[in-house]
Amino acid sequence: EPEVTQTPSHQVTQMGQEVILRCVPISNHLYFYWYRQILGQKVEFLVSFYNNEISEKSEIFDDQFSVERPDGSNFTLKIRSTKLEDSAMYFCASSVRGHTFGSGTRLTVV
Amino acid sequence: TQLLEQSPQFLSIQEGENLTVYCNSSSVFSSLQWYRQEPGEGPVLLVTVVTGGEVKKLKRLTFQFGDARKDSSLHITAAQPGDTGLYLCAGADSGTYKYIFGTGTRLKVLA
Repeated sequence: EPEVTQTPSHQVTQMGQEVILRCVPISNHLYFYWYRQILGQKVEFLVSFYNNEISEKSEIFDDQFSVERPDGSNFTLKIRSTKLEDSAMYFCASSVRGHTFGSGTRLTVV
Repeated sequence: TQLLEQSPQFLSIQEGENLTVYCNSSSVFSSLQWYRQEPGEGPVLLVTVVTGGEVKKLKRLTFQFGDARKDSSLHITAAQPGDTGLYLCAGADSGTYKYIFGTGTRLKVLA
């Protein structure tokens, strides 16, 4: 069964450093998303991406965040200067109708 | 702001019991999904409901979408320890297909 692949599974970074989280969506899906889940809290929408551009973003997705689809298969989330409060599980999802989620990247900012 | 409230927040039951989890909102959604999430993993889609009043069954799980498409329920018959997990509902924003996630119900089924 097709799946969404995320790498790395865990990332520890120093506060202020840049991180790039990577995702390979399902190949025939058209919509791509990033969500995050702070430990013990609910899943929160960050951004949706369609036709090579951002279609919607949440208040969380400020200027520190960016997304790219650099080569037609990968979908990346970059956090430019990480803060302690960016520590969370980050989930990529792709969709035709109904999301298929990746297993997530656990980001820990120290 | 669209919100989805789930109840109960926590549920601990004995194997073989039945249970119902509720997902409520004041907003109308174009579709609603139920996911199950294991610790350290991403949510796994269980079902999508689209039509108001729709009922879908997945083995011992029965999902219902409210007539007004503002609420949904998940009923589990004869719960088993393998049903233990975090159950999430998520409503689709018809404009962009982004999903608003509910607050979650953490279910524990004791053997």
